[in-house]
Amino acid sequence: KNEVEQSPQNLTAQEGEFITINCSYSVGISALHWLQQHPGGGIVSLFMLSSGKKKHGRLIATINIQEKHSSLHITASHPRDSAVYICAARETSGSRLTFGEGTQLTVNP
Amino acid sequence: DAGITQSPRHKVTETGTPVTLRCHQTENHRYMYWYRQDPGHGLRLIHYSYGVKDTDKGEVSDGYSVSRSKTEDFLLTLESATSSQTSVYFCAISDMFNNEQFFGPGTRLTVL
Repeated sequence: KNEVEQSPQNLTAQEGEFITINCSYSVGISALHWLQQHPGGGIVSLFMLSSGKKKHGRLIATINIQEKHSSLHITASHPRDSAVYICAARETSGSRLTFGEGTQLTVNP
Repeated sequence: DAGITQSPRHKVTETGTPVTLRCHQTENHRYMYWYRQDPGHGLRLIHYSYGVKDTDKGEVSDGYSVSRSKTEDFLLTLESATSSQTSVYFCAISDMFNNEQFFGPGTRLTVL
């Protein structure tokens, strides 16, 4: 069992839909990262959070440290949001960053 | 965008040959990382550097070595490439260890 699990693995949505991607982890963490990998392969950091919620445009990330769970929400989804979304957990010691396998999101027009 | 470049972007080589991948940054970040990305696995850390000539192993370091002689350059070397090292390699940088990371464009390496 991976220490960082993402669900779903694949997600197809229609333009305009509200999207949720989940990330759960089994280790104690000090922070959680959300990344976006474009179809061309480039990886961009979206959020790093250790508590509560962060918002950037149509993207919202939440985390519940006690429940060891984080979610990434996309409001009013658009085809350009199609990408792989990756979460990564930074262990409490800070010495290790463990990545999930990613969620492939496809938003159809 | 953070100034990170990787070279080459694509490489095909034969088993047993040495290969060196280069990561170059213009951000003056202290930490640099090399990851590999393979289907069925998340990004996995190969080696990282916390300063000039200061490096340490990651979780999949066997068969790889690194060097950092200047702040801006971090080299990954496969001394004798094997087919299992066929992968996409990403370099990343951060100002603090395992803080928000900025990624290079990746290098697709195929070992025949």
